[in-house]
Amino acid sequence: KNEVEQSPQNLTAQEGEFITINCSYSVGISALHWLQQHPGGGIVSLFMLSSGKKKHGRLIATINIQEKHSSLHITASHPRDSAVYICVGGSQGNLIFGKGTKLSVKP
Amino acid sequence: NAGVMQNPRHLVRRRGQEARLRCSPMKGHSHVYWYRQLPEEGLKFMVYLQKENIIDESGMPKERFSAEFPKEGPSILRIQQVVRGDSAAYFCASSPGTGAPDEQYFGPGTRLTVT
Repeated sequence: KNEVEQSPQNLTAQEGEFITINCSYSVGISALHWLQQHPGGGIVSLFMLSSGKKKHGRLIATINIQEKHSSLHITASHPRDSAVYICVGGSQGNLIFGKGTKLSVKP
Repeated sequence: NAGVMQNPRHLVRRRGQEARLRCSPMKGHSHVYWYRQLPEEGLKFMVYLQKENIIDESGMPKERFSAEFPKEGPSILRIQQVVRGDSAAYFCASSPGTGAPDEQYFGPGTRLTVT
């Protein structure tokens, strides 16, 4: 059983929609990362957070340490947001990867 | 400040050849991590190195794979006598080694194809 669970596994949205990807973890972590993997395979680190909320452009990430839950939100989604979004729990230098959410935004 | 650099970005090797993958960490970072992503699978940890030391190699296959991070120069992931099952994307990440140990920055990856 993976200790970092993401939902949904696949998500299709229309351009302009508000998107939420969820991540739950069952282990104690000191930081949580959200990564974006483009169709070509490259990985971009979107956020690293240990509490509260961070915002970068149309992307917002939140984390609730007590509930062991994080969400990634995309406002006004665009086809170029189509990618796999990976939630990663960090603890003592070890990273535990979720299986990813494949997002497809249709024009 | 340049990010984590990996080269080559694409590498094609025939079965039995050796593959060498390089990772240059971000400036000031002394810790390097290697991850492998097999086709249709998630990222899996392979090895964690500091300069001249292997800290954790619990994710490395027992044979044919080795990693080093010398005092000078990039970290090298070496795969000897490659087989088709080694075809994957190999990512490295670096961290400063001080402050938050989980603050890892990812490189763009090397896509290895074994023919």
